[in-house]
Amino acid sequence: DAKTTQPPSMDCAEGRAANLPCNHSTISGNEYVYWYRQIHSQGPQYIIHGLKNNETNEMASLIITEDRKSSTLILPHATLRDTAVYYCIVIRTGTASKLTFGTGTRLQVTL
Amino acid sequence: ETGVTQSPTHLIKTRGQQVTLRCSSQSGHNTVSWYQQALGQGPQFIFQYYREEENGRGNFPPRFSGLQFPNYSSELNVNALELDDSALYLCASSLQGGGEKLFFGSGTQLSVL
Repeated sequence: DAKTTQPPSMDCAEGRAANLPCNHSTISGNEYVYWYRQIHSQGPQYIIHGLKNNETNEMASLIITEDRKSSTLILPHATLRDTAVYYCIVIRTGTASKLTFGTGTRLQVTL
Repeated sequence: ETGVTQSPTHLIKTRGQQVTLRCSSQSGHNTVSWYQQALGQGPQFIFQYYREEENGRGNFPPRFSGLQFPNYSSELNVNALELDDSALYLCASSLQGGGEKLFFGSGTQLSVL
């Protein structure tokens, strides 16, 4: 599975959009981009995933560049409850759900 | 709430002992995965069970073993505990064929003294 690179930390003001980047320059054609987040003292929570098209759900939007070498997770109106570690994961579907978590991006939402 | 429950929430053991951690999957899910998360690190994949058989394993020694029961609940067993086994152990359930969308429990915090 392709490796990912994320900034270790980011800050965002409450109410503003949080844009979390992820670089996956070695991604293969059959690999998906998944995003999870982990709020302190809880297990990771699935957010969104995509292959090559942009995706949106009730939690966030995922923008994948045309060459698929990078992506951005967008939280449109960040709240204090969005403070968490965000993990970008690239994986081939069907590979026994062996998710490889890196160290992620620690997002701090402030007043 | 994901519907995945783990027990116990906290556990203290001494080096050399054995431990069993338990997980109840979300209703309808037939696959369970276990992860180890050391302090300050991302979760590391231990293994996955599907239809009561091990279906993928990470880089963990054989003293880490598991079981899945007919009701899809699961156990993680660790023998001969070492100090480095101190970590948060996470269980995740999913539906085979449902992609990699996992539903995690809140974990068991294991401390080995």
